[in-house]
Amino acid sequence: DQQVKQNSPSLSVQEGRISILNCDYTNSMFDYFLWYKKYPAEGPTFLISISSIKDKNEDGRFTVFLNKSAKHLSLHIVPSQPGDSAVYFCAANTGFQKLVFGTGTRLLVSP
Amino acid sequence: DTEVTQTPKHLVMGMTNKKSLKCEQHMGHRAMYWYKQKAKKPPELMFVYSYEKLSINESVPSRFSPECPNSSLLNLHLHALQPEDSALYLCASSPLARAGAEEQYFGPGTRLTVT
Repeated sequence: DQQVKQNSPSLSVQEGRISILNCDYTNSMFDYFLWYKKYPAEGPTFLISISSIKDKNEDGRFTVFLNKSAKHLSLHIVPSQPGDSAVYFCAANTGFQKLVFGTGTRLLVSP
Repeated sequence: DTEVTQTPKHLVMGMTNKKSLKCEQHMGHRAMYWYKQKAKKPPELMFVYSYEKLSINESVPSRFSPECPNSSLLNLHLHALQPEDSALYLCASSPLARAGAEEQYFGPGTRLTVT
């Protein structure tokens, strides 16, 4: 039972353009969401988070949007850079210190 | 400083060996976590320590034994593992200030191979 889903296993974008990574969840009780970036052979790096009391949170080039009625969140990266190439995981905090991760989207930003 | 360190970086062990993975953080975080990640899969939670006490065990086999000697250190003792236990083992920590709404910070992981 996959409670957090990332339906796109991969995404290719040109440098300078916008990258949009999507995530859906099934449990309406989830109220805190996070995005992590992961390079091969490294641990996940925290990028940005959003609480369900907001519908948008911005940090530099990264913006996360939350649509609670659709149980959907997205991460926008503008402008995309080659160094952004990595696997991106969205995660939901269940409220009991447990993060439930999506299956990840591999982003490739080409020069 | 948001650094979580893990040693060793790589570990190869036989099925009869006993080994330990170590994790350390100096951010004053009061929760620490062990995750397991198989190739092309998301991290899966194994154990959570809150205030140095085991608070969550996700039905992990007893061949994995966690230990939290103090608020900065977390160990994972391994014994009689199976080849299917080969994976990247990740340690994480979080402040425990807002348990349902806070970030976890991950270490680089230990790549474990069981032969």
